[in-house]
Parts: sequence; structure tokens; C-alpha cells
Amino acid sequence: DQQVKQNSPSLSVQEGRISILNCDYTNSMFDYFLWYKKYPAEGPTFLISISSIKDKNEDGRFTVFLNKSAKHLSLHIVPSQPGDSAVYFCAASAVNRDDKIIFGKGTRLHILP
Amino acid sequence: EAGVTQFPSHSVIEKGQTVTLRCDPISGHDNLYWYRRVMGKEIKFLLHFVKESKQDESGMPNNRFLAERTGGTYSTLKVQPAELEDSGVYFCASRRGSSYEQYFGPGTRLTVT
Repeated sequence: DQQVKQNSPSLSVQEGRISILNCDYTNSMFDYFLWYKKYPAEGPTFLISISSIKDKNEDGRFTVFLNKSAKHLSLHIVPSQPGDSAVYFCAASAVNRDDKIIFGKGTRLHILP
Repeated sequence: EAGVTQFPSHSVIEKGQTVTLRCDPISGHDNLYWYRRVMGKEIKFLLHFVKESKQDESGMPNNRFLAERTGGTYSTLKVQPAELEDSGVYFCASRRGSSYEQYFGPGTRLTVT
């Protein structure tokens, strides 16, 4: 039973445009959400996170939006750059219970020149 | 600040053999985690150390897997005897006590033939 779902296995976006990666979750106990970026043969790199008490967190070109009622979050990258081509993992944790991270299957983002 | 390091980067062993993976967390991070990604599946939690104590080992697949963190610094994950289904990439992550973000190492790719 997948608790964190990334329904788009891949996404292609023109360089300079906005990339929007989506994620849904089922467990209402999750109270902390993270996005990781992964290049081939490397470990996941922490990108940005958001607590369930917020609905938006911004860090440079990256913004994460959280809609708790819909159990949905999204990562916006603006503007998209060639180096953003990677696999992006949505992840969630119930930090007030335990803090193991539950990952989605990932979305492969291709930035087109 | 040095990141999480893992050794070896790759290991190829035969079914029935033993393998030991090592993880060195970021200095000062009391929390250490092991995760595994089997081909085509999501990254899954194995266990969590706080210093030298096992906080949560609910993700360990069976008793062929043994994790230790003597002295609360580096950790080892031993698989004995290895089976074909143990093949995958084993990630280690660490976290400082005051934050929720986990920082991942590059992973050890284990192939059991």
C-alpha cells in the first residue's frame, strides 16, 4: 500500500519554463514533507521541505505547496535549468511519532533545451 | 562539512556469502538511518539509530540483516547469508537532532548472483 504517490513517472519541460512536480499522500499522520533530487549513481540530495502547519515554502527557484485537505503537495521550479534534469522524490514523515521517511517512486524530470 | 560516506560503492557477491556495508554519518549527527531501493521500487526504510541505540528496526526484512553502531559513530549493515532478493542499492542517511532533514550518502550497490 503506497502511502506517498507520484503518479507521473516522467516529465519534460522546456528550459526557462516552470516545472511542476506533483505528489499525493494517504496517511493523515504525516506532518513533514520533503523533496529530494537524485542524479544517477548518487544518493538523494535534500532539496526543500515543508511542515504541515504551513502551506508554502520557498527557497530560491524552488517552491513547495501543501494542500492538507487534498493530501497533495507540489514542487515548482522556476525557471527550469538544464541542471535540474534528475529524478525527484517526494517524501513524507510523521515526525511526532517516528521520523522514518516514506518515499514516493520518483518523477524523472527532463529539461529540454 | 563532509557528507555521509558509504563503503563500498559496489559489491558483487554470490548467494550464500556475507557482505558488510559501512556508513559514516555527518560528524555530530546522532541519528543514522539505513534505507534500501530494490530495482524499480521506491526507497524503503530499514532502521534508525540514535547514537548507538536502535530506535526503530521495523523495516528490517528478516534476521539475515544485522545492523550495528558501536560507539555511536559509524554503522555497519551485515547481510548473512545473502540471497538474490537482497540485490539493490543501500542508502545511509544521517540527521542532526535539531532538524528533520535527513542527508543521504551515495549508496552501496549490492548485487547478489
